[in-house]
Amino acid sequence: TQLLEQSPQFLSIQEGENLTVYCNSSSVFSSLQWYRQEPGEGPVLLVTVVTGGEVKKLKRLTFQFGDARKDSSLHITAAQPGDTGLYLCAGTGGTSYGKLTFGQGTILTVHP
Amino acid sequence: DTGVSQNPRHKITKRGQNVTFRCDPISEHNRLYWYRQTLGQGPEFLTYFQNEAQLEKSRLLSDRFSAERPKGSFSTLEIQRTEQGDSAMYLCASNPGNRDGYTFGSGTRLTVV
Repeated sequence: TQLLEQSPQFLSIQEGENLTVYCNSSSVFSSLQWYRQEPGEGPVLLVTVVTGGEVKKLKRLTFQFGDARKDSSLHITAAQPGDTGLYLCAGTGGTSYGKLTFGQGTILTVHP
Repeated sequence: DTGVSQNPRHKITKRGQNVTFRCDPISEHNRLYWYRQTLGQGPEFLTYFQNEAQLEKSRLLSDRFSAERPKGSFSTLEIQRTEQGDSAMYLCASNPGNRDGYTFGSGTRLTVV
């Protein structure tokens, strides 16, 4: 069974601060995704990383996939109240027919 | 393309009753997934269809849960003899067969009283 551990579980920061969310596993994933979810809605895909060591940037968000494809991080620069939400990492494995295995999520609150 | 549609958005039921949820995926998305999510947690995989074939079902899923996708288009998830522990958000997602193609619906919030 592939498991993803996310940390921290909760993060409460002031507007303008930087933050990093981590996603770790003992298993290798063929790809890893990050989602953002708002209350009462489904997760929305932010990025997919595929290659070990890959770094992707999306405006103030930077995503990194570990060299061994077992871990990933999401870094937000100068957080804004609009970044508030549940951030989820999810991995796909080669034998899992495309299903996603999710981490438990990080609830981010950015205070004005 | 109106996205993934789930109905109803909210369902309150008494313990022991049966409930059925519907998911309409994005047209021509051949893969369809059901997940369950409790408050503040990540979604948990329930089952997966490719066209009309149910290819995988979570071992954590009890026999009270059944899902169908009869014509390879919409899907239904039925829970029989509901229990309070079934209270959760049930999410549906579809995918046309590529890594970036996952699209989730807004979910059905089930409350068992």
